[in-house]
Amino acid sequence: GAVVSQHPSWVICKSGTSVKIECRSLDFQATTMFWYRQFPKQSLMLMATSNEGSKATYEQGVEKDKFLINHASLTLSTLTVTSAHPEDSSFYICSASLLAGGPNEQFFGPGTRLTVL
Amino acid sequence: GQNIDQPTEMTATEGAIVQINCTYQTSGFNGLFWYQQHAGEAPTFLSYNVLDGLEEKGRFSSFLSRSKGYSYLLLKELQMKDSASYLCAVMDSNYQLIWGAGTKLIIKP
Repeated sequence: GAVVSQHPSWVICKSGTSVKIECRSLDFQATTMFWYRQFPKQSLMLMATSNEGSKATYEQGVEKDKFLINHASLTLSTLTVTSAHPEDSSFYICSASLLAGGPNEQFFGPGTRLTVL
Repeated sequence: GQNIDQPTEMTATEGAIVQINCTYQTSGFNGLFWYQQHAGEAPTFLSYNVLDGLEEKGRFSSFLSRSKGYSYLLLKELQMKDSASYLCAVMDSNYQLIWGAGTKLIIKP
């Protein structure tokens, strides 16, 4: 099946710093990539949807200036948490789908656990 | 609004059968997904239903009734490794996945 990687797997940073998380589709070209956040014992919360070469579409309540998404190519999307604070500590998961729109399976990366001190 | 309901937690015995239900109310329907998520890991795809009926895949089966807004995931011959959260997600008219909160399944020996 399609493989999606994320880097780093976990990161600890000081409050006020910025953290970049990479999401790569390793064996396919992903037209659309999704960024999710998951707090303990809660379900996935979609943060934004990004298509290669265009601006990301953010969900309501997600600050686009704080969570910068760049989908530079069909195999790479990055999420940068700017000026991170302890409340941003969470499990961030990306997923990718082969086609834009349509009932397509999303292939998930392994996730990045962010801890902000 | 859009809503996905599934039980918070279920307990079952190794070797037994368990059914995890999911009911949904969404704006449009383009299929229902079941994912398995082990603690600290990302979800992995289990099944996709877009037509009414039962889809069987090994020990796992998924059922859908669109008229009732209802699905279930059936796990047979339970193994300890099946202890995980099971997430129900519906794709709405905009092809966006609406996620349930997940059902934590605990398997006891």
